[in-house]
Amino acid sequence: QEQLVQSGAEVKKPGASVKVSCKAFGYSFIGQFIHWVRQAPGQGLEWMGQNNPNSGGTNFAQKFQGRVTMTSDTSIITAYMELSKLRSDDTAVYYCARRGLGETGYVFDLWGQGTLVTVSS
Amino acid sequence: QTVVTQEPSFSVSPGGTVTLTCGLSSGSVSTNHYPSWYQQTPGQPPRALIYNTNIRSSGVPDRFSGSILGNKAALTITGAQADDESDYFCVLYVGSDTWVFGGGTKLTVL
Repeated sequence: QEQLVQSGAEVKKPGASVKVSCKAFGYSFIGQFIHWVRQAPGQGLEWMGQNNPNSGGTNFAQKFQGRVTMTSDTSIITAYMELSKLRSDDTAVYYCARRGLGETGYVFDLWGQGTLVTVSS
Repeated sequence: QTVVTQEPSFSVSPGGTVTLTCGLSSGSVSTNHYPSWYQQTPGQPPRALIYNTNIRSSGVPDRFSGSILGNKAALTITGAQADDESDYFCVLYVGSDTWVFGGGTKLTVL
């Protein structure tokens, strides 16, 4: 069964960093991009960026440039998103999502369960 | 900065038809933006409903359909049911390997 399983909730202090993991099951991990999307409490979805597990290539939304890192470890079929210099408004549920292939190449067709990151002093 | 616009809320009667839209702050939405739509219920991750403007994801009922209406992407629900009460998000591909989500529409069925 195809799944993305994310790491557990985190509580961080302002200025710290957080690293969220996303483990893939049931499909060829290196073949499909992993995207990261976040959702602040009661708010909408926000696209953060993407990572190509095969090449390591990344692309980020402008607002996260310089503060986010997205990587993959193909040996353990896991993608990571690290966000640094955390602020209170980074409190959100962070999702990983798989981008489809071919005709479905512009849809996020498989999502992780989400990881709540709380930034609080 | 690209802003994708959606109605904040909408209401539909059971059995009724509702059309939610997805626009761009500047310019028109076209098929080249590969509009996709997602349904989200509280505490759950989003679920893909429609992609490439009008293709239903696997398992999505045919009462959900997508289109381009004028200068916006649109999601139409025909014969709304109680369990369609959810948040709906569109996302547009804006080029250079970049995507932007709309703010979402909270749909009430009553």
